[in-house]
Amino acid sequence: GAVVSQHPSWVICKSGTSVKIECRSLDFQATTMFWYRQFPKQSLMLMATSNEGSKATYEQGVEKDKFLINHASLTLSTLTVTSAHPEDSSFYICSARDPVSGRAFNEQFFGPGTRLTVL
Amino acid sequence: AQSVTQLGSHVSVSEGALVLLRCNYSSSVPPYLFWYVQYPNQGLQLLLKYTSAATLVKGINGFEAEFKKSETSFHLTKPSAHMSDAAEYFCAVRSRGGSNYKLTFGKGTLLTVNP
Repeated sequence: GAVVSQHPSWVICKSGTSVKIECRSLDFQATTMFWYRQFPKQSLMLMATSNEGSKATYEQGVEKDKFLINHASLTLSTLTVTSAHPEDSSFYICSARDPVSGRAFNEQFFGPGTRLTVL
Repeated sequence: AQSVTQLGSHVSVSEGALVLLRCNYSSSVPPYLFWYVQYPNQGLQLLLKYTSAATLVKGINGFEAEFKKSETSFHLTKPSAHMSDAAEYFCAVRSRGGSNYKLTFGKGTLLTVNP
């Protein structure tokens, strides 16, 4: 249980294009999802907190117009990198929590990540 | 603000040797603490967590960690390293209470296991 999937697992795009990454909770309803980015050999940095049915909360320094987050359902959040540039190349990881389940109350369950390479 | 410090960005041990990965936290009140493992090009897998009560926490794959409030530490240990333990390990902290569920991660410790 508590499986989170991401799609795609890797993507290569040209500079200036937009890329959408999906994060799904497969066996629980996630009212809150989180988006992280991880540069090579570095830690995870929280980009934004996504709450179902409301606007995402972005961390300081993260451009909300560049990284569009939509959490339209209890099992799906999407991150769209708009007008991608080479410096956006990174490993993007999502996580989800289920506030209803006692099992998952204090945990975030992580997806396998998406490797974005912008040429 | 809370923070996590992982001492040693790289730890190398021999197979069968003790594994000790260090984590110290800074928080005004004892937080929730987590250890995650990340294999190359994969997401994070929870090893164990400290939320309350027992200060010695046992996790998966033979790992355990002890919460020491006086030392503000939550070091991860395993008595005998296995080759499959080679990975990146992250310590993370989260505030208790309220509606803030954000995790703050340490910079990670790369564990290599030598045959």
